[in-house]
Amino acid sequence: RKEVEQDPGPFNVPEGATVAFNCTYSNSASQSFFWYRQDCRKEPKLLMSVYSSGNEDGRFTAQLNRASQYISLLIRDSKLSDSATYLCVVIQGGGNKLTFGTGTQLKVEL
Amino acid sequence: GAVVSQHPSWVICKSGTSVKIECRSLDFQATTMFWYRQFPKQSLMLMATSNEGSKATYEQGVEKDKFLINHASLTLSTLTVTSAHPEDSSFYICSARGGSNEKLFFGSGTQLSVL
Repeated sequence: RKEVEQDPGPFNVPEGATVAFNCTYSNSASQSFFWYRQDCRKEPKLLMSVYSSGNEDGRFTAQLNRASQYISLLIRDSKLSDSATYLCVVIQGGGNKLTFGTGTQLKVEL
Repeated sequence: GAVVSQHPSWVICKSGTSVKIECRSLDFQATTMFWYRQFPKQSLMLMATSNEGSKATYEQGVEKDKFLINHASLTLSTLTVTSAHPEDSSFYICSARGGSNEKLFFGSGTQLSVL
């Protein structure tokens, strides 16, 4: 089983739709969780951290479920500019090693 | 905010040549930098952790003699792909923790194509 798993997609959604991605992790000792966005052949950019209490940043909401070992990202009112690959990132153990999921590709269409 | 600069952005080279990639932290000191490799439609895979003033720590399966890492100063780490072959063609990205909140910042990546 992979340490961090994501559905690769692609998810094709119309503009204005609400879309959600999940990411599961295998190590119950994982400490920190993030969502990154990566555009084609560009570096990943931090979208948001994920906290146990859940957190929201504008149209984006992230949730963490430690019992089931998954995190989620919800995008409301999706824009064309949201088209990208969304990477789930987990920090394990000592805090320096990041493990990336394979990413979920989102395509927002007119 | 903290910025990480990576050069070159892309390299095309002949098989057997060596390629050096530089990663600089521009406005902060980074005692630790990370090197990743990403093949098309795959996730970023950590290759090694670069430690200033000491040897790099390589992940399992990464050849340390092929991927030479030097972290001579607090703001510069280099990755040299020695005797590159077509299977080394990939997207290489560096990152470093920095800023007041120790967030992880990425370089812009280097697309290496070995002919």
